[in-house]
Amino acid sequence: KAGVTQTPRYLIKTRGQQVTLSCSPISGHRSVSWYQQTPGQGLQFLFEYFSETQRNKGNFPGRFSGRQFSNSRSEMNVSTLELGDSALYLCASSLDPYTEAFFGQGTRLTVV
Amino acid sequence: GENVEQHPSTLSVQEGDSAVIKCTYSDSASNYFPWYKQELGKGPQLIIDIRSNVGEKKDQRIAVTLNKTAKHFSLHITETQPEDSAVYFCAASGANAGKSTFGDGTTLTVKP
Repeated sequence: KAGVTQTPRYLIKTRGQQVTLSCSPISGHRSVSWYQQTPGQGLQFLFEYFSETQRNKGNFPGRFSGRQFSNSRSEMNVSTLELGDSALYLCASSLDPYTEAFFGQGTRLTVV
Repeated sequence: GENVEQHPSTLSVQEGDSAVIKCTYSDSASNYFPWYKQELGKGPQLIIDIRSNVGEKKDQRIAVTLNKTAKHFSLHITETQPEDSAVYFCAASGANAGKSTFGDGTTLTVKP
């Protein structure tokens, strides 16, 4: 059974640009959560989607947004990139919001 | 919101010894407590979890204990092996397992 797939694995962007990250959950999983991981702030919750609906949102500025498609795949978008957005962005999927979550390998975003 | 504290931040043990990592949480409504292992360059891997209706759970060399009254839970690894070396994260969530608050992580080093 394939795990959670995140693409791309690595990205380098310039300040002010925007970026879109993709997450394909484990087959059959309908819940997707996104986290930002940095050395200084640790793992921080960004948002969670279930059946194409955003159920929860973390404490991040409006530049961070996301969506989920009917096939449960999810994307997150960061606009007007700042240096501080450099991080490992992790996606986790679960059958539903109430069961264990499994993480992908992450997308390493570097903003220069 | 929920706050999770994790100790110690680093832990070094000899191969074959036991390792214990402790976490405390603040929100009495939290009822799901997963533990993740993260190796370099990889996403967090779920290794064990516990829900608030049980006090202890074991899976081979790994066990987790939960004290809801004191709001703390612990990870116990017995007979440690060099491949157990990694960063371990505890997390806490309410009914929504897809939105977890993570501890800051413990870097475990097992010396051969």
